[in-house]
Amino acid sequence: GENVEQHPSTLSVQEGDSAVIKCTYSDSASNYFPWYKQELGKRPQLIIDIRSNVGEKKDQRIAVTLNKTAKHFSLHITETQPEDSAVYFCAKKLQFGAGTQVVVTP
Amino acid sequence: DTGVSQDPRHKITKRGQNVTFRCDPISEHNRLYWYRQTLGQGPEFLTYFQNEAQLEKSRLLSDRFSAERPKGSFSTLEIQRTEQGDSAMYLCASSLGLDGRGNYGYTFGSGTRLTVV
Repeated sequence: GENVEQHPSTLSVQEGDSAVIKCTYSDSASNYFPWYKQELGKRPQLIIDIRSNVGEKKDQRIAVTLNKTAKHFSLHITETQPEDSAVYFCAKKLQFGAGTQVVVTP
Repeated sequence: DTGVSQDPRHKITKRGQNVTFRCDPISEHNRLYWYRQTLGQGPEFLTYFQNEAQLEKSRLLSDRFSAERPKGSFSTLEIQRTEQGDSAMYLCASSLGLDGRGNYGYTFGSGTRLTVV
């Protein structure tokens, strides 16, 4: 089955700085790469996704980049704000990464 | 409410008892997924359906777990002879199915928190 590795497991950033989370995968078959955000005590929510026919997608302060050759995709959050504090998960096919706890300090 | 609904929200049961959870997906979504999540971990895949067909089941899933989606709408997840290790949040999600562009993202329900005592 698909193996998805996510790094780092925790990320502490100062408000206003950027955060980058990376996921690597092993199976090239799937063409869909989503990212989910889970706030404490809440359900995971889809925040951005990308298909393999593009290399980058942006939505306001978040972006996802895909490197099919290297088999990794990354989530970029710019101008971080305290409300960005949450756990972020990548996913591929049916498997989720282990998650990255992002803490944005004022 | 057009979201994914799960019932019950919380379930406390004694070890050895059977429990059943229900999930009502978004009506337009033909795919339904069950995941399990423990504290500090990512969602762990259990099984998924496309319409009423169960297409894949995790090899990690013991035969105490069974899921159904008889009419291609709501789904139930049953755990027989519960063990303390079954304590977790059970998440249901739904999505559109495959089309020429591939997969779609999930909409998750709020989950059922199971505590086995």
